[in-house]
Amino acid sequence: GQSLEQPSEVTAVEGAIVQINCTYQTSGFYGLSWYQQHDGGAPTFLSYNALDGLEETGRFSSFLSRSDSYGYLLLQELQMKDSASYFCAVGAAGNKLTFGGGTRVLVKP
Amino acid sequence: DAGVIQSPRHEVTEMGQEVTLRCKPISGHNSLFWYRQTMMRGLELLIYFNNNVPIDDSGMPEDRFSAKMPNASFSTLKIQPSEPRDSAVYFCASTPRTANTYGYTFGSGTRLTVV
Repeated sequence: GQSLEQPSEVTAVEGAIVQINCTYQTSGFYGLSWYQQHDGGAPTFLSYNALDGLEETGRFSSFLSRSDSYGYLLLQELQMKDSASYFCAVGAAGNKLTFGGGTRVLVKP
Repeated sequence: DAGVIQSPRHEVTEMGQEVTLRCKPISGHNSLFWYRQTMMRGLELLIYFNNNVPIDDSGMPEDRFSAKMPNASFSTLKIQPSEPRDSAVYFCASTPRTANTYGYTFGSGTRLTVV
């Protein structure tokens, strides 16, 4: 089976940098994805790491270390609109994703 | 591109009634997933289809739940009989079968309340 751990909540101020860590235990690991979900909305895809290293997409970056079964999502230059829940998810065969419990990010002025 | 379309957006039903949730995936996406989201259990994968064929239904909680995908553009999730503990947001998501980025597109969800 698969299990993922991420912090339940993070609070930061506008303009700050937030790092959301994710550790996982899984069999048949293909990669690590990250999703954003605003309250009342649907999850939306942010990034995917299949290989070790850092992937940068604008203000958001995602990192993976396969040997450590660890990844993180880095949110830079935080904006109020970044207040949302962020989920890491482990990819397996058949495009199957198992999601972590989510990290609620609260951005304060 | 209209995205993944789910209906209804909200459903309130009485315990014991049958509930049918509907999903239209993005055209050309041949992997379809049904997830359930609750505060207690987070996002749980219920079942997924590749090319209209159910691949893994191990997440379906019990026999009261069933899902079908009669063609590439339509899927249903049925609960019968419904129980209060089935109250949750049910999401449908799709992705191209050949995509290796695990970038699902989710529908807006159906918020189910069983009273």
